[in-house]
Amino acid sequence: DTGVSQNPRHKITKRGQNVTFRCDPISEHNRLYWYRQTLGQGPEFLTYFQNEAQLEKSRLLSDRFSAERPKGSFSTLEIQRTEQGDSAMYLCASSLAPGGGELFFGEGSRLTVL
Amino acid sequence: AQSVTQLDSQVPVFEEAPVELRCNYSSSVSVYLFWYVQYPNQGLQLLLKYLSGSTLVKGINGFEAEFNKSQTSFHLRKPSVHISDTAEYFCAVSDNTDKLIFGTGTRLQVFP
Repeated sequence: DTGVSQNPRHKITKRGQNVTFRCDPISEHNRLYWYRQTLGQGPEFLTYFQNEAQLEKSRLLSDRFSAERPKGSFSTLEIQRTEQGDSAMYLCASSLAPGGGELFFGEGSRLTVL
Repeated sequence: AQSVTQLDSQVPVFEEAPVELRCNYSSSVSVYLFWYVQYPNQGLQLLLKYLSGSTLVKGINGFEAEFNKSQTSFHLRKPSVHISDTAEYFCAVSDNTDKLIFGTGTRLQVFP
């Protein structure tokens, strides 16, 4: 399967702990996006990369959140000092830019903060 | 700033009936418009997209959408739905940065 891969698929953690999610995009894609989706809502944009450069960060991305894409391949999203409000599905997507806007999404990483 | 409004949070419909899922957008620049579908426990999949050209766009699984610039709408339609169409449908807009702004989604529930 050469689609977008996300790990872990599920993560349960206690408030205050740090968590890290990994995303492996489609190999030839130069753009990588992170979104967050809560129950009953559409995906909310968090940040995106073109190759290794982080081009935009949403105001939703507080200082506790950091994303990296070293070498322009896989990406990690780290959440420090997790809060219950961080509980959500974290979605990763990739695209080949300029590509007419089709993003290819992974199945997501579900975070539950107790 | 761009935004998307999906007025219907849920749309119940019987199998083989037609369906329309509504989407209105707001943008100060030219936009690209998309419909994505999310089946349970699966990632989002692209149904169709409007970039330019013909305002009637056909997608996968028999869905189509019409771009209406004067009404800032991009409604999704299917003439005859199947049980397998039960899913969450998201309308999205972008301004050619490939960054998508999504609506809150419409849950389509198809009953036998």
